[in-house]
Amino acid sequence: EPEVTQTPSHQVTQMGQEVILRCVPISNHLYFYWYRQILGQKVEFLVSFYNNEISEKSEIFDDQFSVERPDGSNFTLKIRSTKLEDSAMYFCASRGQINSYNEQFFGPGTRLTVL
Amino acid sequence: DQQVKQNSPSLSVQEGRISILNCDYTNSMFDYFLWYKKYPAEGPTFLISISSIKDKNEDGRFTVFLNKSAKHLSLHIVPSQPGDSAVYFCAASEIGGNQFYFGTGTSLTVIP
Repeated sequence: EPEVTQTPSHQVTQMGQEVILRCVPISNHLYFYWYRQILGQKVEFLVSFYNNEISEKSEIFDDQFSVERPDGSNFTLKIRSTKLEDSAMYFCASRGQINSYNEQFFGPGTRLTVL
Repeated sequence: DQQVKQNSPSLSVQEGRISILNCDYTNSMFDYFLWYKKYPAEGPTFLISISSIKDKNEDGRFTVFLNKSAKHLSLHIVPSQPGDSAVYFCAASEIGGNQFYFGTGTSLTVIP
């Protein structure tokens, strides 16, 4: 069964460092998403991506964040200068199409710890 | 602004009994609703969904009910099993919309 994969599973970094979180969406999906979940809190939408550009982003997704689809399979989230409050689980998701009723498929997440 | 709310952070149920998880939303434009299940250290897994043209959708032990006038949906699990112990998130979106709005989750514990 196709699945979304994410690497690494756990990333530890120093405050102010750049991190790149990687995702491989399901191969025939067209829409890609990043979410985060701070410990004990809700899953929060960060950004959606379609046709090689951001289609929607939340207020959390500020200039420190960027996304890219560098090739036909990977989808990355970059945080330029990490802050302590960026520590969270980051989930990638993909979806086949949005003009119908269908769900997003989530990856297992990357736990980011900023020290 | 919390558009999707799950007011019960936790729920404990005896094995074999019914689990009822509730979710409320505020945006009347939402017309697609989903329940996700999440185990620790894993990503959310899709469980069941319902569109606004229905008021009930059933899949095995899981049934989702939608009350549009009350802007309320619920997930029923019958009978509950210990393996159902997880955090359950409801989510909502507009048809054609890009974003899913998630509730804060309800942690279900099924006691053997």
